[in-house]
Amino acid sequence: AQSVAQPEDQVNVAEGNPLTVKCTYSVSGNPYLFWYVQYPNRGLQFLLKYITGDNLVKGSYGFEAEFNKSQTSFHLKKPSALVSDSALYFCAVRALYSGAGSYQLTFGKGTKLSVIP
Amino acid sequence: GAGVSQTPSNKVTEKGKYVELRCDPISGHTALYWYRQSLGQGPEFLIYFQGTGAADDSGLPNDRFFAVRPEGSVSTLKIQRTERGDSAVYLCASSNTGEWDEQFFGPGTRLTVL
Repeated sequence: AQSVAQPEDQVNVAEGNPLTVKCTYSVSGNPYLFWYVQYPNRGLQFLLKYITGDNLVKGSYGFEAEFNKSQTSFHLKKPSALVSDSALYFCAVRALYSGAGSYQLTFGKGTKLSVIP
Repeated sequence: GAGVSQTPSNKVTEKGKYVELRCDPISGHTALYWYRQSLGQGPEFLIYFQGTGAADDSGLPNDRFFAVRPEGSVSTLKIQRTERGDSAVYLCASSNTGEWDEQFFGPGTRLTVL
């Protein structure tokens, strides 16, 4: 079974400072990893994904994430946080194979990011 | 272009009643997914459609839950004999082919069972 852990329920960061939201995963075989953001009363918005290649992937709104296979981690980062980045962030994983069950995304519980002005 | 839409946005019902939740995917997307998000949790997979057929329904919690997608576009999630534990936000997502494309989510339907 695949799983995702987001060890921090909440992350607070000052505006302009770098931010990191942590994610570790467990999956059979190679992972296909995602970050989504959820604003209040709105659906999940896709930020970025990692499937293969460069371990540092860049996404929307200046976010990036670093894949680390040995640590089974996929931490979300941004060099300079904005107040508008305050939201709920979800890491998700699926298995990198075709076939039954492979299309299911497994999500973490989410991390609430608060950027303080 | 238009994103995934879901109706209603809120549904309040009584225990034991039947409800239907509707999802309109992004035009041209062949893959459609339903997830359920309980308070304080991440979304949990329910069912996946590729075209008209349910390719994976392993996440449906029991036989009170059923979903259809008769023409390969709009999907309806149906819940019979609702229970208070069914209260959650039901999210629909679609993707271009379902193979390696990211899933795009709708705003969800908040279901409250009294």
